[in-house]
Amino acid sequence: NAGVTQTPKFQVLKTGQSMTLQCAQDMNHNSMYWYRQDPGMGLRLIYYSASEGTTDKGEVPNGYNVSRLNKREFSLRLESAAPSQTSVYFCASSPREGVYNEQFFGPGTRLTVL
Amino acid sequence: SQQGEEDPQALSIQEGENATMNCSYKTSINNLQWYRQNSGRGLVHLILIRSNEREKHSGRLRVTLDTSKKSSSLLITASRAADTASYFCATVRSPGYSTLTFGKGTMLLVSP
Repeated sequence: NAGVTQTPKFQVLKTGQSMTLQCAQDMNHNSMYWYRQDPGMGLRLIYYSASEGTTDKGEVPNGYNVSRLNKREFSLRLESAAPSQTSVYFCASSPREGVYNEQFFGPGTRLTVL
Repeated sequence: SQQGEEDPQALSIQEGENATMNCSYKTSINNLQWYRQNSGRGLVHLILIRSNEREKHSGRLRVTLDTSKKSSSLLITASRAADTASYFCATVRSPGYSTLTFGKGTMLLVSP
């Protein structure tokens, strides 16, 4: 099992460009999450999908959109990238909905917006 | 907003010593989890402790939870160089939340 995979690993964008970060999990997990990690800030939740067909905003959703394409895949889209979106983005999944769930993380995408 | 605050921000010890990291949080919680992040990698789940539990063990890890003080500690015994990483606490707030809120982490350096 590959676990949680993310593509691309690195990306450089110019201000105003758009891109989609891809995430897939092969563990048959129900819930999926997108976080950003900035230096000294820990992880902040952008969007999550508790189950296939649902998505909800997290703490910092502005400037992002998501699509839960199917049970395996959860993509994050930046429609018009801004320098403030320079960050490391992590996708995660967890087996069930609810509160007693560990999360499994992907390796991250390092995004720089110039 | 950050829910958890880890203390210290950085910790440097020798192999074989114990490492203790603390986490304080602000609101009522359902459970608290600890994660490890090696440099340049994703986070790895270490342990989950429920709000009605006071202590939990997993291998060389010992976690305590004091809900009256809104704090938790992670103890790593007999540390190894491979334990060098950042450690994050994360909480599921109560009631009505199912997502994790992470703290800013403690960077642990274990020297041979």
